[in-house]
Formats: sequence, structure tokens, C-alpha cells
Amino acid sequence: SQKIEQNSEALNIQEGKTATLTCNYTNYSPAYLQWYRQDPGRGPVFLLLIRENEKEKRKERLKVTFDTTLKQSLFHITASQPADSATYLCVAYSSASKIIFGSGTRLSIRP
Amino acid sequence: DTAVSQTPKYLVTQMGNDKSIKCEQNLGHDTMYWYKQDSKKFLKIMFSYNNKELIINETVPNRFSPKSPDKAHLNLHINSLELGDSAVYFCASSQRTGNNEQFFGPGTRLTVL
Repeated sequence: SQKIEQNSEALNIQEGKTATLTCNYTNYSPAYLQWYRQDPGRGPVFLLLIRENEKEKRKERLKVTFDTTLKQSLFHITASQPADSATYLCVAYSSASKIIFGSGTRLSIRP
Repeated sequence: DTAVSQTPKYLVTQMGNDKSIKCEQNLGHDTMYWYKQDSKKFLKIMFSYNNKELIINETVPNRFSPKSPDKAHLNLHINSLELGDSAVYFCASSQRTGNNEQFFGPGTRLTVL
């Protein structure tokens, strides 16, 4: 079956370090991937989009990569801050309008 | 200046009842969505409408019926509520279908007793 897996349910890192979150997909060929941030009790908020023909996208301290050979996307937050603590969701979209969300990775940045 | 709003925010009801959740977006978007987020935090798409026309209808019990009176509104009606319907329901909108960011509402927490 088609699956999006975010490998870590929770990730705990020291402030100032780079957080790296992983999203793997199986039996699926997404045309593009999006990453969202979700805070407790709130709806997800869009962060970045990357297409299958793009290797990397950046936005301020955020970077996302898309490796169609490894069937994987990596999401990086550099110089992490406690305010970056949240759940991050990977979302895959196929050309047939199929939308699949990953289960999310809960990121905690400790001061 | 709420972009995507949902009412109510909380809904507690008895099994077997019929309830509705309303969603409105003031972004001028063409596409709207309903998602269900269960206790394990998985977000699953239920429906998507583009310009009042149903374009995505995932495997959802037919007790769930979306209604789009105009492209700014997408309401969700649920008949004969069951315990397993308890979840947070999110409405979202995007400019159009395809590779567009989605703007999510604050969610409606439904508890079926």
C-alpha cells in the first residue's frame, strides 16, 4: 500500500544544532512534497514545497531535499531555537491529486 | 482577519445524533478540503471540492456528507454519529488543486459519547 513514513516519532536536540527530519515514501511516486508545522491545538501551517525535479529548496533557516532514488525527503532546521519546537508533517501529492500525510515528527529544542 | 474559520471549535454529542461542522474561507480560493486527525495524529483527507464540485472523495462512510453552497464554504454533515468518529476535523483551502499550499482552519474537536 502507499505509505509516507516519518522515521522519528520524536526528536530532541540542543538549541543551536541542526535538526534533520526524515520522510520516506513507498509504493508511491509523489509529484511534489510539502512540509507543514503543527502546534498543539492548531491547524498545520505550510512551510516549504519541493517538486520531484528539484533537489533542494531553502527558506531562511529551513532546507528541504528530495531524493527520488532513495524515495526520501529530508527537512533541516539550522541554528534551531526553542520556538522551533512543534510537530512537523511531510505531505506527498501525486499527479492524480492523491494526498497522503505522514504521521509527523514531534521536535523538541532544549535551551 | 481569519483566513479559514470553522465552527464550532468543540462538539460533544451522543452516539446516534446528527451534527454539522461549518467552514468558511475568505482567501478567494477555489479549492477546499476536509481532513480527519485521529488520536495518533494521522491527518487523512476525506473530501476536496473545487469550485463547488467534488473532486476527491476518499473511502469515507456515507454517513459523512460534504456540502458546498458556494466556493467560500464547505460544510460537513455527519449522520448517526459513532464512537469512532471522535477526532479533530480540519478544514483547509488552497488557491486551486495541485501544488498549492493549503491553509488550515483551527480544527473542530468532535467527541462522541
